[in-house]
Amino acid sequence: SAVISQKPSRDICQRGTSLTIQCQVDSQVTMMFWYRQQPGQSLTLIATANQGSEATYESGFVIDKFPISRPNLTFSTLTVSNMSPEDSSIYLCSAGTSVSPANTGELFFGEGSRLTVL
Amino acid sequence: KQEVTQIPAALSVPEGENLVLNCSFTDSAIYNLQWFRQDPGKGLTSLLLIQSSQREQTSGRLNASLDKSSGRSTLYIAASQPGDSATYLCAVRLNSGNTPLVFGKGTRLSVIA
Repeated sequence: SAVISQKPSRDICQRGTSLTIQCQVDSQVTMMFWYRQQPGQSLTLIATANQGSEATYESGFVIDKFPISRPNLTFSTLTVSNMSPEDSSIYLCSAGTSVSPANTGELFFGEGSRLTVL
Repeated sequence: KQEVTQIPAALSVPEGENLVLNCSFTDSAIYNLQWFRQDPGKGLTSLLLIQSSQREQTSGRLNASLDKSSGRSTLYIAASQPGDSATYLCAVRLNSGNTPLVFGKGTRLSVIA
């Protein structure tokens, strides 16, 4: 299994500012994803974080608003740019290793980063 | 596009009851399915992973079944306890590559002492 640490765990931000969330995995993983969970809702995929190349964004999410970095196999960041109250959500990092004889392809999650935008 | 549905949306039971949570998915060509638990304001804890070739998985009082051809999975919780109160999420992956999970909206479970 993979243990995933996210920072910050929570933050209160002012409208118009940007915040970067860090995701650190305790082992090398092939897959990293970022999800958003709005209040009372389920998880929505923001993007796939690709190591060494640009992230792959889902419909409705753009790089200018949610820039993502993944410099290596254990670390990724998500920035929420020019925040508005609508960005108030829990942001979750997910990671795992692709299926192989040694891996089941199970995906794991961090504790999430709860953002409140005033 | 894969869609995952969970029924019921919320469930309240007295302590000690056995219960079943349901999950259905529209595209039966999944690679695997995971059940998660989420406590309020927290991240997700993986409970059970079922590969597409498997019919069920068990962990303690939890048993998850998979009927891939009909696009359904169930999570059975035996002898429920107040500590089981949480939201339970079902999610599927379409293939073994670099693909994410697609989530249902969850079932919010309350176990009353």
